[in-house]
Amino acid sequence: NAGVTQTPKFQVLKTGQSMTLQCAQDMNHNSMYWYRQDPGMGLRLIYYSASEGTTDKGEVPNGYNVSRLNKREFSLRLESAAPSQTSVYFCASSEAPGAGEAFFGQGTRLTVV
Amino acid sequence: RKEVEQDPGPFNVPEGATVAFNCTYSNSASQSFFWYRQDCRKEPKLLMSVYSSGNEDGRFTAQLNRASQYISLLIRDSKLSDSATYLCVVLMNTGFQKLVFGTGTRLLVSP
Repeated sequence: NAGVTQTPKFQVLKTGQSMTLQCAQDMNHNSMYWYRQDPGMGLRLIYYSASEGTTDKGEVPNGYNVSRLNKREFSLRLESAAPSQTSVYFCASSEAPGAGEAFFGQGTRLTVV
Repeated sequence: RKEVEQDPGPFNVPEGATVAFNCTYSNSASQSFFWYRQDCRKEPKLLMSVYSSGNEDGRFTAQLNRASQYISLLIRDSKLSDSATYLCVVLMNTGFQKLVFGTGTRLLVSP
């Protein structure tokens, strides 16, 4: 089972460039999430989609946009990358918003120079 | 104050040792509690849920103290393969239900 698939795994951007991180899940989950993980900060929620057709801001949404393309796919876009967005990004999915088990993708290591 | 706080460690223990991690959370209305495991440069994965009555899964025991807003994870007979970062996770309802992750406690088990 593929589970949650994220692309790309690694990316280096120059300040001001844009990019989209792709995420797809094959578990028929309703809810999908984007987190970033920084040293000493833990995982922080950027945006989430409780169900297909809805998206909402999490704790740290500034500088990001998302699209829930369909039930399977949830993309994260950086319109104008900044060095502060250097981080490891994880996509995750769960059956429902209140489900305790979230399944994570392998992560995207993004460096903005 | 962080919503979920953990000692970052690292905890260095020999194989066979028993080690315990603690975690505190700030929101008394928190609903559910979990321990996730994250290996180096990998994604987090659910290790176990934490129930009010305490629960055990093999060598792992999780306990919850709602009055003190405190969660613990006990690992007995540590194995080299237990080396990882253990994330304390709390399900909170702050307008929407979200999983709030602690920064993790790093465990290193040595031969």
